[in-house]
This record gives sequence, C-alpha cells and structure tokens, in this order.
Amino acid sequence: AQRVTQPEKLLSVFKGAPVELKCNYSYSGSPELFWYVQYSRQRLQLLLRHISRESIKGFTADLNKGETSFHLKKPFAQEEDSAMYYCALSGRGETGANNLFFGTGTRLTVIP
Amino acid sequence: EAQVTQNPRYLITVTGKKLTVTCSQNMNHEYMSWYRQDPGLGLRQIYYSMNVEVTDKGDVPEGYKVSRKEKRNFPLILESPSPNQTSLYFCASSLLAVGSYEQYFGPGTRLTVT
Repeated sequence: AQRVTQPEKLLSVFKGAPVELKCNYSYSGSPELFWYVQYSRQRLQLLLRHISRESIKGFTADLNKGETSFHLKKPFAQEEDSAMYYCALSGRGETGANNLFFGTGTRLTVIP
Repeated sequence: EAQVTQNPRYLITVTGKKLTVTCSQNMNHEYMSWYRQDPGLGLRQIYYSMNVEVTDKGDVPEGYKVSRKEKRNFPLILESPSPNQTSLYFCASSLLAVGSYEQYFGPGTRLTVT
C-alpha cells in the first residue's frame, strides 16, 4: 500500500541556514512525488514536482528510489519560507484509482 | 480568475443537523476531490470524482456523501454530522485524475459540530 512519511512535525532553523524537510514513501509502482506548501492564511499550493526537476523559490527535491525518499532542500532559509509543507505521492490506491496521498506535514519556522 | 471556491468558509452546527458544503471550480477540470485536515494527521481524502456522475470513496468516507451532477460543482454532504467531523475541509480540482497534474485547492471550510 502507498504511504508517505514525514518524520518531523516541527522544524525550526535560523535565517540563512540550510534546511531539509524529510519525506519517505512506500509504493510498489513508479511513484510521482510532489511538495505542496501552505503559507499562513493562504491556500495549499503546489511547490514542486519531481518529474519537472525544477527549483522553485530556491527549493529542490531529488527522488531517491534506493532510499525511497524525496527530501526538500534549500541552502539558505528565508523568513518567508515559514509555512506548512506536505509531501504527496500520486499513485493507485486500494480502489484502483489514481489519487494523491499526503504525508502528515512539517511546519517549518525560520527564525530571524 | 481561475480558482476553486468553497462555501461557507466557517460553520458551526449541532449534531445531527444535515449540512452541505459547496465546492465550485471554473477551470473545466475533470477531477475533483474533498480532503479533511486534522492536526497530526495531515490531509486525508474523503471522496473524489473522476468526472460527471463518477464518484468514489477515498480513505475516510464514513459519514459523508458527495454528488457530481455538473462538471464545475462537487458538494460535500453531511447527512447527520457528529463531533468527530469537526475539521478543516478542503476541496481540490485538477485537469485530469492526478498523475503529474497539479491539484488546485479551495480556501478551506472550518466546520465545528457541537
């Protein structure tokens, strides 16, 4: 069965420090992985997807199939990065339909 | 403006009183979904719809109903709400059933059942 694990509920870093938000997954097929972000008083929105191999707002995430991980990284954290981050996996669920499965989220706080 | 809208944004109700939360999108998306967000549990899918008249259960469907009579609307119905349905609810849509398609989320509906 598909599963997304974000081991850290809370993560605090100082401004300018590197940040890494961990995400591990389990899925029997070939997964498609995403990071969604929810800033204070804003809607949940897509940050990046592994298939695009892009860098958004300085964030990158590499899919490591050997370690079944999709960690989100940024070399220098900014105060505006403070938000709730969700890792998500797109795959077939128990009903056979293709759906999006979310982790429990990590709240990142960047300390000035 | 392309968006997903939900109404109401806030609702306080009593146990057993039927309610409907509306969801509408103006992007001609085929796929729509409802999630609930609870502390420590993240987002869990309640129901989803692949297209008009096609709906199916997500991970936590108990106590909820949905319908998809039109492409743009996907209401969430609580026939007999209970306190354990107190939560933050999100509607989302994407062009097609998720794969690499981005899901667009509504602003959320905070429901309190007393």
